[in-house]
Amino acid sequence: KNEVEQSPQNLTAQEGEFITINCSYSVGISALHWLQQHPGGGIVSLFMLSSGKKKHGRLIATINIQEKHSSLHITASHPRDSAVYICAVGRSSNYKLTFGKGTLLTVNP
Amino acid sequence: EPEVTQTPSHQVTQMGQEVILRCVPISNHLYFYWYRQILGQKVEFLVSFYNNEISEKSEIFDDQFSVERPDGSNFTLKIRSTKLEDSAMYFCASGSYEQYFGPGTRLTVT
Repeated sequence: KNEVEQSPQNLTAQEGEFITINCSYSVGISALHWLQQHPGGGIVSLFMLSSGKKKHGRLIATINIQEKHSSLHITASHPRDSAVYICAVGRSSNYKLTFGKGTLLTVNP
Repeated sequence: EPEVTQTPSHQVTQMGQEVILRCVPISNHLYFYWYRQILGQKVEFLVSFYNNEISEKSEIFDDQFSVERPDGSNFTLKIRSTKLEDSAMYFCASGSYEQYFGPGTRLTVT
């Protein structure tokens, strides 16, 4: 069983729609990261969460430590949001990240 | 804003050759990492480095691989005797709870 599970694997939306991507993990963590990867391959860190909720522009990330679950929301989605969104978890013992398989988001105009 | 840089952006090499991938982490960071992403697969941890030594390595990181911090700024990943299956995107990162990623080096082994 993967330590980090994401759903859905693929998501297609129309511009303007509200998007939710989910992440569940099976181990104790110190932090959960949401990352964005564009077709060129580079990885950009969007959020790091250890509790509660964070907001940056149209992106919102939440985490429920008890349920070992996190969600990434995109409000008013735009074609430029099209990318792979990756959930990764880190532990305080060594900080290394364990990654999910990613969610491929395509936002159509 | 400080950033992690990696060179080269793309490296093509023949099977059996040695390659060195270079990274310049953010200057005041103490923890450094190499991750790998084979095309179409998830990102995988290779190795972490702290206080001038390896702090953890994955089962992927066998004797074929080595890391060094040859000076105060560079952090390198050496792959000896490359194999076709080493073709992947290699990411360097630095930081602890919050990690900053470099843009990656795409390694193609032919």
